Amino acid sequence: QKEVEQDPGPLSVPEGAIVSLNCTYSNSAFQYFMWYRQYSRKGPELLMYTYSSGNKEDGRFTAQVDKSSKYISLFIRDSQPSDSATYLCAMRSGNTPLVFGKGTRLSVIA
Amino acid sequence: GAVVSQHPSRVICKSGTSVKIECRSLDFQATTMFWYRQFPKQSLMLMATSNEGSKATYEQGVEKDKFLINHASLTLSTLTVTSAHPEDSSFYICSARLQTGGAGGYTFGSGTRLTVV
Repeated sequence: QKEVEQDPGPLSVPEGAIVSLNCTYSNSAFQYFMWYRQYSRKGPELLMYTYSSGNKEDGRFTAQVDKSSKYISLFIRDSQPSDSATYLCAMRSGNTPLVFGKGTRLSVIA
Repeated sequence: GAVVSQHPSRVICKSGTSVKIECRSLDFQATTMFWYRQFPKQSLMLMATSNEGSKATYEQGVEKDKFLINHASLTLSTLTVTSAHPEDSSFYICSARLQTGGAGGYTFGSGTRLTVV
């Protein structure tokens, strides 16, 4: 079993839809959970990060972490064509390197 | 915000030659730099971790004599792919850990697409 599992998609939704992206993990030591957005041939950019369990909201984005289920989610409300990208979950414990999911390719169709 | 400048963004080289990729932290000091490789439609795979002034720690399966990492200062880390072969063609990305740390204290370069012909 991989440390971090993420459905690679692709996921295609109409503009304005609510998008739900998810990852599961196996290492209970993970404490920090991140979501990155990566456009084609570019480096990842940090969207959201959460420490331990709970929810965090930033504009149209909401990140949720359920450590008991080892499950994290990213919700995108009112999705826009400019949200079309690959979304990577990542996590770590302490100052260790990030462990990434495979990434989900999202297309928002106008 | 913290910016990591990575160069070149794209390079094509002949098989058997060496290629150097640079990552510079522009407005902060990066005590630790991580180097990742990403194949098409795959996730980022950690290759090595380097701390300023010390030898890099390589992940299992990564050839340290082939992928030379130098982190001579707090603002510059380099990855040299020696005797490159077509199977080394990939997207290489560096990531710096800010001294201040914190949950979000990792910032990425823009990546280098290496094509070996």
